[in-house]
Amino acid sequence: AAGVIQSPRHLIKEKRETATLKCYPIPRHDTVYWYQQGPGQDPQFLISFYEKMQSDKGSIPDRFSAQQFSDYHSELNMSSLELGDSALYFCASKRKLAENTGELFFGEGSRLTVL
Amino acid sequence: AQRVTQPEKLLSVFKGAPVELKCNYSYSGSPELFWYVQYSRQRLQLLLRHISRESIKGFTADLNKGETSFHLKKPFAQEEDSAMYYCALLAASGAGSYQLTFGKGTKLSVIP
Repeated sequence: AAGVIQSPRHLIKEKRETATLKCYPIPRHDTVYWYQQGPGQDPQFLISFYEKMQSDKGSIPDRFSAQQFSDYHSELNMSSLELGDSALYFCASKRKLAENTGELFFGEGSRLTVL
Repeated sequence: AQRVTQPEKLLSVFKGAPVELKCNYSYSGSPELFWYVQYSRQRLQLLLRHISRESIKGFTADLNKGETSFHLKKPFAQEEDSAMYYCALLAASGAGSYQLTFGKGTKLSVIP
């Protein structure tokens, strides 16, 4: 079965550079979530989208922005990168109708390293 | 605001021994709790949820509202159970949205 696809798997950037992470949800999933997991940390919710509109916002820095496109894929844009942005970025998807079941389907993550 | 606490970062047990991964939560509403598992180099995946009261891979978890706990248990640990386990709480975040809050995770290591 198709899973959540994230691209790239690994990314190395330098301070003050920009980075873009992409997420392709499971077909027919209309809701996308972004999580950030620092080394040895729990996944922290960043932002979510439903039907191309932002539905919820967590601890996402102002330097970051995200959007969901008409094909439901989502992109997380990160600018003025800092060393502390080095983390594993997870994308997860679900269908809105199943929202209160709590089950998110996660991608394998994009590992960003900022040097 | 909701909070999920997993007091143990690492738990090592011998194969065949019982396992209990602790999870406590803080939430003013009616909680919905889950356990997610992350095997080595794999994605996070749902293990079980309290509302279904099921046993998955021999694991069970009972929601204890009095103690605000949702501990994960297995009577006999297997080597393939070695993984990171995250307790998670689903909470309404307003405007019809729900947010899943994770604990910091417990790494379970089963020694052969």
